[in-house]
Amino acid sequence: QVQLVQSGAEVKKPGASVKVSCKASGYTFTGYNMHWVRQAPGQGLEWMGWINPNGGTTYARKFQGRVTMTRDTSINTAYLELRDLRSDDTAAYYCTRDNSWYFFDYWGQGALVTVSS
Amino acid sequence: DIQVTQSPSSVSASVGDRVTITCRASQGIDRWLAWYQQKPGKAPKLLIYAASTLQSGVSSRFSGSGSGTDFTLTVSSLQPDDCATYYCQQANSVPYTFGQGTKLEIK
Repeated sequence: QVQLVQSGAEVKKPGASVKVSCKASGYTFTGYNMHWVRQAPGQGLEWMGWINPNGGTTYARKFQGRVTMTRDTSINTAYLELRDLRSDDTAAYYCTRDNSWYFFDYWGQGALVTVSS
Repeated sequence: DIQVTQSPSSVSASVGDRVTITCRASQGIDRWLAWYQQKPGKAPKLLIYAASTLQSGVSSRFSGSGSGTDFTLTVSSLQPDDCATYYCQQANSVPYTFGQGTKLEIK
């Protein structure tokens, strides 16, 4: 069965960077796009960007310059790095598989990133 | 960017009721719309994609309709387990955007 297992919660200081991982299993990792979506506490869902099977990326304009999405196909793992963290980056960060129609059919459990001085 | 606006922001209904949630896009998106269900502390779950296609394994009590700018999610015969927040998402163009959510409560 398809599973996306993310790394654990992180606490970071303002200005720091965070890297969240997402290990995929149960399907051909290189056959699907992977997206990242975040959700601030008590708030809605915000799309951040995606990485395609060739490693190409598309980022939401809001995050360009601060975000990098990568993947290591040898271990079926996708990564999200967010730099220059601010308090309003405090959120659960989800990886989610694209069902080939740009809709999100499988989700990781979320990784809570807390930014606090 | 395409904005998607959901209504209502919250709804309360009884077990067995039929509930409808609407989503309006700021410009035409053909049928590039999905609906998700999210329970507290959990990741969202895909219910409907391409406006009306039921995701595998999802109860047939959920249905979607619409095209262009106006879409609806209908939950027929409401069950206690349907208590959750529901989001729509447009996939017509980047950045993919979500509605603000509709919280469904059981009376």
